[in-house]
Amino acid sequence: QQQVKQSPQSLIVQKGGIPIINCAYENTAFDYFPWYQQFPGKGPALLIAIRPDVSEKKEGRFTISFNKSAKQFSLHIMDSQPGDSATYFCAARQGAQKLVFGQGTRLTINP
Amino acid sequence: GAVVSQHPSWVICKSGTSVKIECRSLDFQATTMFWYRQFPKQSLMLMATSNEGSKATYEQGVEKDKFLINHASLTLSTLTVTSAHPEDSSFYICSAQPGQASYNEQFFGPGTRLTVL
Repeated sequence: QQQVKQSPQSLIVQKGGIPIINCAYENTAFDYFPWYQQFPGKGPALLIAIRPDVSEKKEGRFTISFNKSAKQFSLHIMDSQPGDSATYFCAARQGAQKLVFGQGTRLTINP
Repeated sequence: GAVVSQHPSWVICKSGTSVKIECRSLDFQATTMFWYRQFPKQSLMLMATSNEGSKATYEQGVEKDKFLINHASLTLSTLTVTSAHPEDSSFYICSAQPGQASYNEQFFGPGTRLTVL
């Protein structure tokens, strides 16, 4: 019940396209859903996060869509660029407890 | 703001030696720090959670005598890999959280690459 399932495992998109990464969870007590971006050899960096009281949050080219009834949330990257090529992790947390990470998605944006 | 540093960024050591990795929150006080390890092309695996001034809480399967964690101040936590072996080679990442409120973000360090020969 503590798992967060992320898909796809890898994704290749042409520049300007809109990659979509999906995550699903079971624990309805999760109340914080962040997305992290990680470049090779670097630590993860927080991209954007959402709480379950909203269905969508947008920051720049990054948008989280949240479906509470389906227990799913997704990351959309608008006007994707080669510099967005990285591994993306979704995560979830209940209160002050530990983050539960998804398996990661390796995104490649082709020029 | 919210910068977390790690030192060293990479380390190579011989089997049987101990290695210490430092994690510092540079511009905030971290009530809680977390230590993760990450194998190539895998997700982050939480090893332990430490609160300043108290003993670390280790995740199931993590040997507390092998991975010693000290959180002596609100800005510094250390991870010591004792008697390191090649299977301990990994990417170790710390994160720090200011306070325990559910809305508090976790800020990650840049990671430390450990290679044990």
